[in-house]
Amino acid sequence: EDQVTQSPEALRLQEGESSSLNCSYTVSGLRGLFWYRQDPGKGPEFLFTLYSAGEEKEKERLKATLTKKESFLHITAPKPEDSATYLCAVQGFGDDYKLSFGAGTTVTVRA
Amino acid sequence: DTGVSQNPRHKITKRGQNVTFRCDPISEHNRLYWYRQTLGQGPEFLTYFQNEAQLEKSRLLSDRFSAERPKGSFSTLEIQRTEQGDSAMYLCASSLDTYQPQHFGDGTRLSIL
Repeated sequence: EDQVTQSPEALRLQEGESSSLNCSYTVSGLRGLFWYRQDPGKGPEFLFTLYSAGEEKEKERLKATLTKKESFLHITAPKPEDSATYLCAVQGFGDDYKLSFGAGTTVTVRA
Repeated sequence: DTGVSQNPRHKITKRGQNVTFRCDPISEHNRLYWYRQTLGQGPEFLTYFQNEAQLEKSRLLSDRFSAERPKGSFSTLEIQRTEQGDSAMYLCASSLDTYQPQHFGDGTRLSIL
């Protein structure tokens, strides 16, 4: 069964203090790794899809990278509006209908 | 650009009652998914539809749960004889096909008294 572990559980940053979130996964045949952002009381908002090791995607202050066993979400010079829970999910070739999520990392950025 | 719409946003009910949630996917999205999310956890897959056909169900989906997608448009998720453990956020997502990302609605939060 696919497994996703995210660390740390929570991250408190000062505005402008860059950091990284980790997503470790095990899946029999990775079809895609997905990053979502979730604000309190809202549904997950799609950020990135990564398909193969070495791939990188960027959006504003966020950059996602992928290796064969883990993915990182780098937050560069964060602002308070980057405060949210960031969820990582994998999709395997064997069951390409579902996403298997980690528990998320809650990021708080203080001004 | 209309996203995935879910109704109601909140539902409070007594244990033992039946509840029904509705999801309207993004127009032209063939695939529709239901997930359940509890506090501090990521969403867990429940079931999905390809057009009107329900193709997969998780073992989390007991026989008290039933989902439909008539005519391949909106979907409903019904829970019969609700239990305390059913309290959660129920999320709906849709995608154009298996190669496109899933886009989520803002969910229905169910509270069982």
